[in-house]
Amino acid sequence: DAGVIQSPRHEVTEMGQEVTLRCKPISGHDYLFWYRQTMMRGLELLIYFNNNVPIDDSGMPEDRFSAKMPNASFSTLKIQPSEPRDSAVYFCASSLSGSNEKLFFGSGTQLSVL
Amino acid sequence: SQQGEEDPQALSIQEGENATMNCSYKTSINNLQWYRQNSGRGLVHLILIRSNEREKHSGRLRVTLDTSKKSSSLLITASRAADTASYFCALNSGNTPLVFGKGTRLSVIA
Repeated sequence: DAGVIQSPRHEVTEMGQEVTLRCKPISGHDYLFWYRQTMMRGLELLIYFNNNVPIDDSGMPEDRFSAKMPNASFSTLKIQPSEPRDSAVYFCASSLSGSNEKLFFGSGTQLSVL
Repeated sequence: SQQGEEDPQALSIQEGENATMNCSYKTSINNLQWYRQNSGRGLVHLILIRSNEREKHSGRLRVTLDTSKKSSSLLITASRAADTASYFCALNSGNTPLVFGKGTRLSVIA
C-alpha cells in the first residue's frame, strides 16, 4: 500500500481565496483524522470520520472550515475564505480501529496564506 | 481530552549516547503511543503501550509506562545522527481520538 496520500504538498494562496486539501487514506482503514500543526499550538485535531461519517468536528476552528468524506477512499478539508492565521501544516491520518491502534500519517500539506 | 507533556522540550546528544524523553499526563489512559517526526515530514508511529503494560521494546527503542506516576519514557540507545527528529507522545483515553503533546526535539551530533 502507498500509505496515506495528501495533495497538494504545498499550497500558497492569497487571503480570501478558497483552499481545498485532499487525502486518500490507506485502503481498509475505517478512521480518518485531520490534524493541523503549528509551532505555537502543536498538533491539533480538527475533525475525524468513522466509516465516512463525521464523528467529532469540535476542533474545527470556525465556520470557514469544512470537511467531507464522500467515500472510503477520499476526504477533503476546505477553507473558505482563507486567512493568514490558517497558515500551518495540515495532516491527514488513518487507522484501522481509531485511537486504540496506531495512526498512519500522510506527508502533510504546507499551507501559506499571504 | 488531555494532552501529554513531554520533557525535555529539546535534547542534544553525541552519537552513540542514549537519549531519554519523558511524557507525563493527568488522567487515566487506555494506551500511550510514541511517534517520530522528521523535519518536513509526517509523523511515524514508533510504539504503542497499553495501560496494563509496563515496558515494550522495538529495536533500539525502549518504552516504559508507570500508571501510578502517570508517566512514560522513551529511551533510544546508541543514538545515530539519523535519529535526529521530534518525538511526540500521544494519549488515548476512552473513545476519544489521540491527543498529541508538543514534542521533544532531539539532535544527535555526529
